[in-house]
Amino acid sequence: GAGVSQSPSNKVTEKGKDVELRCDPISGHTALYWYRQRLGQGLEFLIYFQGNSAPDKSGLPSDRFSAERTGESVSTLTIQRTQQEDSAVYLCASSLAWRERLRQYFGPGTRLTVL
Amino acid sequence: AQKITQTQPGMFVQEKEAVTLDCTYDTSDQSYGLFWYKQPSSGEMIFLIYQGSYDEQNATEGRYSLNFQKARKSANLVISASQLGDSAMYFCAMREPISSGSARQLTFGSGTQLTVLP
Repeated sequence: GAGVSQSPSNKVTEKGKDVELRCDPISGHTALYWYRQRLGQGLEFLIYFQGNSAPDKSGLPSDRFSAERTGESVSTLTIQRTQQEDSAVYLCASSLAWRERLRQYFGPGTRLTVL
Repeated sequence: AQKITQTQPGMFVQEKEAVTLDCTYDTSDQSYGLFWYKQPSSGEMIFLIYQGSYDEQNATEGRYSLNFQKARKSANLVISASQLGDSAMYFCAMREPISSGSARQLTFGSGTQLTVLP
């Protein structure tokens, strides 16, 4: 079956521009996560959606970052007024529910480069 | 707050030999889950193995096994009979328990770059 997909795969933008990243989770997965991975580092949690509950935004680094998800479908991560330190790979993951053993399935990521 | 420590930034292993990648964690919770993911140069995150804190036996998945020592708070990954395709970055991660009220996101270590030599 189809896995988690993300678009675009690569995005180059100029400092100060807004960017929008898209994530299509696995069908039926109620939980959706966004992570950021800077070069040579591990993943940092950004935001979490679970069904129709209010999202957990505790990982967002600044108010320039926001994300939306309609129901249990597509999610978009928006970065406004991009800065060079926003350059990273942005990974989306989805999982079935809150159960402990259920792993998160990751998408291929979007590589964002801010010039 | 939870913390994952991977002290080996890089490891080398000869093809067909076994290798152990270290992971230690810090948590005050009694219930938690530990994961290992592989990230090849293509960038995708590939799930390898899972260990629950209450599991009585160490997890195994094919050539991967997890050496779980709860008292020492370590969850080392053992790869047996290494293959050239095992060359990748390996991440240890912990999932927060539901009692914390958190989003249950994964907390990742900094990773270990494994290179398998022919």
